Amino acid sequence: DAGVIQSPRHEVTEMGQEVTLRCKPISGHNSLFWYRQTMMRGLELLIYFNNNVPIDDSGMPEDRFSAKMPNASFSTLKIQPSEPRDSAVYFCASSPDYNEQFFGPGTRLTVL
Amino acid sequence: QQPVQSPQAVILREGEDAVINCSSSKALYSVHWYRQKHGEAPVFLMILLKGGEQKGHEKISASFNEKKQQSSLYLTASQLSYSGTYFCGTAAGSARQLTFGSGTQLTVLP
Repeated sequence: DAGVIQSPRHEVTEMGQEVTLRCKPISGHNSLFWYRQTMMRGLELLIYFNNNVPIDDSGMPEDRFSAKMPNASFSTLKIQPSEPRDSAVYFCASSPDYNEQFFGPGTRLTVL
Repeated sequence: QQPVQSPQAVILREGEDAVINCSSSKALYSVHWYRQKHGEAPVFLMILLKGGEQKGHEKISASFNEKKQQSSLYLTASQLSYSGTYFCGTAAGSARQLTFGSGTQLTVLP
């Protein structure tokens, strides 16, 4: 199994630009989580899906952030417009049963 | 609310033991433990379920005190490969999503 796949691995963009992060969960996993990690705030849950349906998006910072999961094998996290304070490592994780979570390699986002 | 981890950092010599603690103010359904090495993603180590069985690795064990809403991770005879940041993640009540602690940085020296 290839594990959770995220793209891009690194993204550098300018303030105000739209950023789209992508995630392919492990096949057969029915839960998908988006996390953000920074030195100041640690590892924060942004949103999670179960069976492609968003269950809890209370961690999404503001309306500039949106996430979709159009099917069981793909999810996106979009930031529009991006700001320097959005700079962080964004992880996607999937789980078969709300127990063990398998994290992807992460996307390191830098907003200039 | 974020669980509280202690200590924030610990330095060991190879072969020594370590204990990392995690406490929550909420009634917990489960406690997860993950290890993250620098520049890498967190990797699952252990899960403890309320009233359930314990899962995890051979040389790393954990306990879950449901009355105190506390969990401890025990690393015995530490190896160089144990170095990294350890996070506990807690699921409270009926919620199944995790809230992670701020992490404990473990360094094992030869």
